[in-house]
Amino acid sequence: QKEVEQNSGPLSVPEGAIASLNCTYSDRGSQSFFWYRQYSGKSPELIMFIYSNGDKEDGRFTAQLNKASQYVSLLIRDSQPSDSATYLCAVAQAGTALIFGKGTTLSVSS
Amino acid sequence: DTGVSQDPRHKITKRGQNVTFRCDPISEHNRLYWYRQTLGQGPEFLTYFQNEAQLEKSRLLSDRFSAERPKGSFSTLEIQRTEQGDSAMYLCASSLGPVTAEKLFFGSGTQLSVL
Repeated sequence: QKEVEQNSGPLSVPEGAIASLNCTYSDRGSQSFFWYRQYSGKSPELIMFIYSNGDKEDGRFTAQLNKASQYVSLLIRDSQPSDSATYLCAVAQAGTALIFGKGTTLSVSS
Repeated sequence: DTGVSQDPRHKITKRGQNVTFRCDPISEHNRLYWYRQTLGQGPEFLTYFQNEAQLEKSRLLSDRFSAERPKGSFSTLEIQRTEQGDSAMYLCASSLGPVTAEKLFFGSGTQLSVL
């Protein structure tokens, strides 16, 4: 059974700090890895995707992938109160749909 | 690009009734996905289509659930003999190609409440 595991949180950080969100996945055949942000009552929106081992940066966001350890993370630098949301990790294999984790709730206090 | 559209936004029904939801994907997207999300959980995969072909169904999709995508355009998800456990947000998403290479875009969802 394909599984994506996330710590449900809540993860609380002060404004301006770095928030670190983690995710592990069970299927070594997974090829693509995504981070979605979901505000309460809204649908998920894509913020980052990564395919290769290493780091990928986009503005204040950095995604990190380690396929050997089956681990993917998201770092949010200079966290803002508007970053407070649930962050969903999602994993895909060829020919299948995205499989999501349960999400980590992030709270950024001002 | 008008985004993924879902209708209705909210549906309240009594246990035992049938309900049908509609999803209109982004026009050029050939892949369409249905997910279900309950409070505190991530989206759970239900089924997906490539054009009009239903390629994969989750074991969560009991025989009370049926999905169609006639002509490879809009899709409908029907739940027969609804149960209180069916109460959830039903999310539709679409992509231009396989999700290993293309982004997945979600609609606003249909919130189902079964009384």
